[in-house]
Amino acid sequence: DARVTQTPRHKVTEMGQEVTMRCQPILGHNTVFWYRQTMMQGLELLAYFRNRAPLDDSGMPKDRFSAEMPDATLATLKIQPSEPRDSAVYFCASGSTGKTYNEQFFGPGTRLTVL
Amino acid sequence: AQTVTQSQPEMSVQEAETVTLSCTYDTSESDYYLFWYKQPPSRQMILVIRQEAYKQQNATENRFSVNFQKAAKSFSLKISDSQLGDAAMYFCAYRSASGDDKIIFGKGTRLHILP
Repeated sequence: DARVTQTPRHKVTEMGQEVTMRCQPILGHNTVFWYRQTMMQGLELLAYFRNRAPLDDSGMPKDRFSAEMPDATLATLKIQPSEPRDSAVYFCASGSTGKTYNEQFFGPGTRLTVL
Repeated sequence: AQTVTQSQPEMSVQEAETVTLSCTYDTSESDYYLFWYKQPPSRQMILVIRQEAYKQQNATENRFSVNFQKAAKSFSLKISDSQLGDAAMYFCAYRSASGDDKIIFGKGTRLHILP
């Protein structure tokens, strides 16, 4: 049963610390998306990649956030330095442009708490 | 720009009854895809049902069906024989068929199932 995996599932850190979240997309998928979900803002798209190339990171605060895909099986989202307002659930999703619907399949999320 | 509107922030339904969640969208395109995602308390985003705009037949998946009205730009989700496990946040979503991989999500409708 192919699925998107994310690590860690939960992270508690102190303000100012670096946070790295990892995502393994479904094998064969060529698009990867990073979302942030909060009660106030709902689901926000932070960044997305196609064939490992970043296509849109306009939703991401550039001064502290960075997203990369070192290879086709790993996507990372880093926050440095972290702030309390970054507390949220971060989702990774993957999709395949080769499929008709190109729907996105979501990972279980990383719940981040910044104290 | 395309938008997706879910006008019902919360809804309740008695167990075993039928409920319909509303969704409208705005687009100038003629070809696109529509989705309903479910997010239960576990926070895992699950694809429930999908529809291609140029298919007139409404999609069905077991107890879930849609009423797709292209001219009215409406895409409602009907859940028949509601079960306690259907309690979740439901997101309506849109994707252009023009090659854009991004999915536009509505704000969600929280569905409560009353025993």
